[in-house]
Amino acid sequence: SAVISQKPSRDICQRGTSLTIQCQVDSQVTMMFWYRQQPGQSLTLIATANQGSEATYESGFVIDKFPISRPNLTFSTLTVSNMSPEDSSIYLCSVELARGSYGYTFGSGTRLTVV
Amino acid sequence: KNEVEQSPQNLTAQEGEFITINCSYSVGISALHWLQQHPGGGIVSLFMLSSGKKKHGRLIATINIQEKHSSLHITASHPRDSAVYICAAALNTDKLIFGTGTRLQVFP
Repeated sequence: SAVISQKPSRDICQRGTSLTIQCQVDSQVTMMFWYRQQPGQSLTLIATANQGSEATYESGFVIDKFPISRPNLTFSTLTVSNMSPEDSSIYLCSVELARGSYGYTFGSGTRLTVV
Repeated sequence: KNEVEQSPQNLTAQEGEFITINCSYSVGISALHWLQQHPGGGIVSLFMLSSGKKKHGRLIATINIQEKHSSLHITASHPRDSAVYICAAALNTDKLIFGTGTRLQVFP
């Protein structure tokens, strides 16, 4: 199965600044997913990132706030822009092991605190 | 009503006890996942089920497609099993719908 390296593991940021989270996969994958987990809540899908095309955002999430890059089949970044304390969450990336397999691997998560 | 519901929300146990976590879903699924989340936030995939039963070490997962219900069992629980356990339904659209998780604490 794929192994994901997610960085940073945690950060404390000032409001109004931006943070970029990176996910590196040790094999080529078609689809990468970015999730947010607010305190005490379940995971919510932010967007799906396909290589070579713009990310597809879920309702309630917009590109200006959460720009995503997917330059190749092994790497993606999520930026949390103009942060406010409400953005304090765990952010996770995930990949589907093979298209249509319904098997997934998750990153180790980024715990973000905005002060 | 959430499409994926778990019970209980919180669970405490003494070391050695048999533990069961339940998951019910109301959508059509291609597979159901059991995930383990540690305090740092990282998630490990434990099982992916589409029918029947799977076992890995002290962990057993079962699913009843007709009843739209799955269970995760931990035999001979240990303090290192303390984590949040999450079930997630895989839809036909490559997306996952997550339950809210069960926080398990096992005391020595």
